[in-house]
Amino acid sequence: DQQVKQNSPSLSVQEGRISILNCDYTNSMFDYFLWYKKYPAEGPTFLISISSIKDKNEDGRFTVFLNKSAKHLSLHIVPSQPGDSAVYFCAANDGNTGKLIFGQGTTLQVKP
Amino acid sequence: NAGVMQNPRHLVRRRGQEARLRCSPMKGHSHVYWYRQLPEEGLKFMVYLQKENIIDESGMPKERFSAEFPKEGPSILRIQQVVRGDSAAYFCASSPDRKNSPLHFGNGTRLTVT
Repeated sequence: DQQVKQNSPSLSVQEGRISILNCDYTNSMFDYFLWYKKYPAEGPTFLISISSIKDKNEDGRFTVFLNKSAKHLSLHIVPSQPGDSAVYFCAANDGNTGKLIFGQGTTLQVKP
Repeated sequence: NAGVMQNPRHLVRRRGQEARLRCSPMKGHSHVYWYRQLPEEGLKFMVYLQKENIIDESGMPKERFSAEFPKEGPSILRIQQVVRGDSAAYFCASSPDRKNSPLHFGNGTRLTVT
């Protein structure tokens, strides 16, 4: 029972272009969503989050969009840089306990 | 400001041995979460603890796995009688409160069972 899904295992973009990573969820009770970035042999690093009362949150080159009716969120990175190459995880907060439910991850490769 | 500290970084155990993974949360954080990442998979929730209490262990295998977060000292994830299928990266995360706070992760312990 995968409550948070990232259907694209990988994405490749050219440096300077936009990267769009997608995430779908099934539980309408989720009210807080996060994106994490992970390099090999390191732990996930928090990137950006959004509350369900908003539909957009922006932080520098990173913007997260939330479409509650579609139970869909996306992360936009613009312009993409080679250092952005990593695995990106979408997560949803289980409001009851605070634990995060993670998607399977999308590997982003930004080519110079 | 030290982050979440996990040790050891790498642990090799033979089948049947015990594995003990330690996690010290960030200063001021009283909530600890353990996650497991199997090869080619995402992060799977295992257990959520506060000081001296297990709050949610819905992701823990029913046998051989246990976790604690004592009043003093780090949180411990213990795996008894390890099997090859336990080989994975185990990540600990901490947070200062439950509602809408990002979890801060350590760099994990990579367990290899031979």
